[in-house]
Amino acid sequence: AQSVTQLDSHVSVSEGTPVLLRCNYSSSYSPSLFWYVQHPNKGLQLLLKYTSAATLVKGINGFEAEFKKSETSFHLTKPSAHMSDAAEYFCVVTRNTPLVFGKGTRLSVIA
Amino acid sequence: DAGVTQSPTHLIKTRGQQVTLRCSPKSGHDTVSWYQQALGQGPQFIFQYYEEEERQRGNFPDRFSGHQFPNYSSELNVNALLLGDSALYLCASSPGGGRAYIEQFFGPGTRLTVL
Repeated sequence: AQSVTQLDSHVSVSEGTPVLLRCNYSSSYSPSLFWYVQHPNKGLQLLLKYTSAATLVKGINGFEAEFKKSETSFHLTKPSAHMSDAAEYFCVVTRNTPLVFGKGTRLSVIA
Repeated sequence: DAGVTQSPTHLIKTRGQQVTLRCSPKSGHDTVSWYQQALGQGPQFIFQYYEEEERQRGNFPDRFSGHQFPNYSSELNVNALLLGDSALYLCASSPGGGRAYIEQFFGPGTRLTVL
């Protein structure tokens, strides 16, 4: 069975400061890992994905994530937060099986 | 390309009623998956349709059923609605075969409220 744990339910940062959203995964085999973003009353948008290629993955809007097998982690980072980054973020694991979502991390950005 | 579209946007029903939600996949995609997202939770997989057949199913009761049409569009039906069925229902489309979950694109969702 696969699962993901998002370690923070809510993260608050000031505009212009770095963002770190933490995700640990559990998978019996080499997984594919994704980060999705969901703005209020909107659907899910794919930020980035890891599918066993380079361990440092760059996504849209300046986000990136690093796959660390030894730590079973896939943390999402961004060097400088923007007000428009305020949203719900989901870490997802799959092995080309039904996506398994974490419970989400709400990111607040303070002006 | 319109992407994945869903209708209606919002829906209000009462307990015991039946509801049908609709999804049109992204152009070039032949596989449709449905997810339920309860308030404050991550989405949960309901089922996936490919070649007009249900291929995989999550842990949902038989009250949840679906259909896929020859043009790849899909419907989600929920019978005997319960208060707990209130959620955002998301449709995701993808190319079939080996990339059915790796290349999913999500629609905006249908917000179902059961009173």
